[in-house]
Amino acid sequence: DGGITQSPKYLFRKEGQNVTLSCEQNLNHDAMYWYRQDPGQGLRLIYYSQIVNDFQKGDIAEGYSVSREKKESFPLTVTSAQKNPTAFYLCASSWTSGRPGELFFGEGSRLTVL
Amino acid sequence: ELKVEQNPLFLSMQEGKNYTIYCNYSTTSDRLYWYRQDPGKSLESLFVLLSNGAVKQEGRLMASLDTKARLSTLHITAAVHDLSATYFCAVEPGGSEKLVFGKGMKLTVNP
Repeated sequence: DGGITQSPKYLFRKEGQNVTLSCEQNLNHDAMYWYRQDPGQGLRLIYYSQIVNDFQKGDIAEGYSVSREKKESFPLTVTSAQKNPTAFYLCASSWTSGRPGELFFGEGSRLTVL
Repeated sequence: ELKVEQNPLFLSMQEGKNYTIYCNYSTTSDRLYWYRQDPGKSLESLFVLLSNGAVKQEGRLMASLDTKARLSTLHITAAVHDLSATYFCAVEPGGSEKLVFGKGMKLTVNP
């Protein structure tokens, strides 16, 4: 079945550590996105990528990094520079580059900083 | 900057009742999306509205889009407990590569 797979589902990190969240899609979508959701809040865009080897900052990119070396993969690294990383992270993809269209979301990764 | 406002943000209603929730946005757009999120879960797509006057229905939910008024409504008919969730609208501004989400409306349907 086609879909978006995020891993791990739960992740615990000590302060000062970098962690990488995986996002893989087999929908053949061009565009991929990373969102952050804090409890009781809406979604905030971290980074997005319209095409392989290219990505753009979203509204809250500081303290995060991404890569897009393959069409199907868009990993997110939460660096030690991110001061408050505890949150629910959602990866999404869509068919078209240029206009986002309908987004399809992964199951999410919940990061907790100890 | 595009702003997307949902109201109400919290709604508690009884089973069997009807209600309409609203999503207003501040700049021109002809594409709007509704998503549902269950507690602790991801978002799932509910409706895709791609033109002025678009109306979509799925079960007890009906969504519509009025691009002139910059308004989408999500109407709930004869609510049931299973509809309890958070509902997000997201707007695709013209010429933009990214969606702008509202804050979400948390719906609780009580027996």
